[in-house]
Amino acid sequence: NAGVTQTPKFQVLKTGQSMTLQCAQDMNHNSMYWYRQDPGMGLRLIYYSASEGTTDKGEVPNGYNVSRLNKREFSLRLESAAPSQTSVYFCASRVQQGGSSYEQYFGPGTRLTVT
Amino acid sequence: DAKTTQPPSMDCAEGRAANLPCNHSTISGNEYVYWYRQIHSQGPQYIIHGLKNNETNEMASLIITEDRKSSTLILPHATLRDTAVYYCIVRVAGYGGSQGNLIFGKGTKLSVKP
Repeated sequence: NAGVTQTPKFQVLKTGQSMTLQCAQDMNHNSMYWYRQDPGMGLRLIYYSASEGTTDKGEVPNGYNVSRLNKREFSLRLESAAPSQTSVYFCASRVQQGGSSYEQYFGPGTRLTVT
Repeated sequence: DAKTTQPPSMDCAEGRAANLPCNHSTISGNEYVYWYRQIHSQGPQYIIHGLKNNETNEMASLIITEDRKSSTLILPHATLRDTAVYYCIVRVAGYGGSQGNLIFGKGTKLSVKP
């Protein structure tokens, strides 16, 4: 049981290049999330997918697109990278069941630098 | 979601209890208190959550005041590996839409010293 995995771990892009960050979870969780974390800051939600087939914007969605490929996988795409998107990106997943409250599980992060 | 207030930093001696406070004076009746921590460069890790009763698990204890306007996370015997940023988050339980979303502040940087 690997939990939440992210690829790549590190990436350097030039301004204007595109790339896709991959995330997968093997816990059969319904919901998945993408966050970014800038130095000295807390995490900010970019996009989330409450269940397979749905995606919604979070706090900072501009410049990003997402795809919930299936229940396991949730990808984040930067179409035209900008230096302001230099950050650490975390993916997370959460089970949703009834009215109970379940914690989120986070991946190890992708460290992206845009020059 | 209710706003939380945490001290930016705290120190604790190794082996002693670490008590991390959190104020959430505007908390609603259906909002839970969650604690997560983030060890340097890693993804956040869930610690504990509660609604109004005190909670304990293998990692920590959570003490919520009777009026629910503040809480304290207690690490009973802090070790060097507990050095991390600790986030207190208040949000509703439930599923569907944005109900599972977490809003992270800057947290408290706990430094455990030998």
